[in-house]
Amino acid sequence: KAGVTQTPRYLIKTRGQQVTLSCSPISGHRSVSWYQQTPGQGLQFLFEYFSETQRNKGNFPGRFSGRQFSNSRSEMNVSTLELGDSALYLCASSSETGGRRIRNSPLHFGNGTRLTVT
Amino acid sequence: AQTVTQSQPEMSVQEAETVTLSCTYDTSESDYYLFWYKQPPSRQMILVIRQEAYKQQNATENRFSVNFQKAAKSFSLKISDSQLGDAAMYFCAYRSSGSRLTFGEGTQLTVNP
Repeated sequence: KAGVTQTPRYLIKTRGQQVTLSCSPISGHRSVSWYQQTPGQGLQFLFEYFSETQRNKGNFPGRFSGRQFSNSRSEMNVSTLELGDSALYLCASSSETGGRRIRNSPLHFGNGTRLTVT
Repeated sequence: AQTVTQSQPEMSVQEAETVTLSCTYDTSESDYYLFWYKQPPSRQMILVIRQEAYKQQNATENRFSVNFQKAAKSFSLKISDSQLGDAAMYFCAYRSSGSRLTFGEGTQLTVNP
């Protein structure tokens, strides 16, 4: 079974531009979540999607948005890029089903997209 | 809000020796999961081991085991018979619902030959 695939691996953008990152989850996984990793702030949760609906959102400005398609693939978009948005963006998928009950399904991460804003 | 703290930014161990990485967390919830992930230079986060809070027994996965002290909110990782391939950044993580993980700051583990 193929793992979580993130494209592209590297991106260089200029301040003020926008960027779209893509994530293809493991086949059959319906939950996709995104994390930002920086040396200063560590790993921070961005948002989570399940069955095309945003289920949870971290503490990031509205410039950060995402969506999930019917095939569970997800994209995240960052508009009006700032230098501080330079980071490794990690996508993770899991096989958990919906509902309030906690699931023990582990998160499977992709290799990430390294975004550099100049 | 839940917090996860890893107080050891760096650790080193000799090949074949044992090392323990520390993690503490803070939560008011009773039902949650704890994880250790490793991140090698390839950048991919790899699940090492997981522990369910309601289980008393400490989780074990081959050379990796945890010491879970629920009352003390402590979750340390022990790596036995360390191998060169174990060198990586190790993250402790907490999860209570959905897919939201709260990570610690990480511990960079070096394995010396």
